[in-house]
Amino acid sequence: DTGVSQDPRHKITKRGQNVTFRCDPISEHNRLYWYRQTLGQGPEFLTYFQNEAQLEKSRLLSDRFSAERPKGSFSTLEIQRTEQGDSAMYLCASSKTGTDEQYFGPGTRLTVT
Amino acid sequence: RKEVEQDPGPFNVPEGATVAFNCTYSNSASQSFFWYRQDCRKEPKLLMSVYSSGNEDGRFTAQLNRASQYISLLIRDSKLSDSATYLCVVNGRGTSYGKLTFGQGTILTVHP
Repeated sequence: DTGVSQDPRHKITKRGQNVTFRCDPISEHNRLYWYRQTLGQGPEFLTYFQNEAQLEKSRLLSDRFSAERPKGSFSTLEIQRTEQGDSAMYLCASSKTGTDEQYFGPGTRLTVT
Repeated sequence: RKEVEQDPGPFNVPEGATVAFNCTYSNSASQSFFWYRQDCRKEPKLLMSVYSSGNEDGRFTAQLNRASQYISLLIRDSKLSDSATYLCVVNGRGTSYGKLTFGQGTILTVHP
């Protein structure tokens, strides 16, 4: 059973550097979501895709953030010019169209020093 | 007012106890609701969807009160392995369908 996978699991970077994370959804799930979670809080929605189309973006997603899903399969989330406030767990989830349930990957923990 | 509010706890209960968590949501048009469980430093895992008629899965019972915009989760006969953070989750509507809004989470510790 292949669940949602994310890579890398941990990333430490210096302020000002760019980072890119990858998410592979469950096969045949055509919806893919990105969330961010900081300590002591629930996850916050960032953006989501149906196939390759990006359908909604949160106001949390500043212009330093960009997400892509070029072939409707895996997705990447890039953060440019990282700031200490970007330190968080970045979670990816997927679901099938027509179903509500989203399944989460293990997350990428980003630390900006 | 937060879109989804939960009592953060922590709840500390002995094994075998019954414990209930509550959650309120602000958007009366919301249609679908969930409880997720999250272990320390792990991803959230879907525990159960919440239906209008209420639903039960083993020791877990979820209830929805649309009039009061209130969701609950009851855990009976608590096990040590139930120790986790329980997240109340509301799905968006219309163009925001799929955008999950999470509560802060309620921490549960079950002790021997």
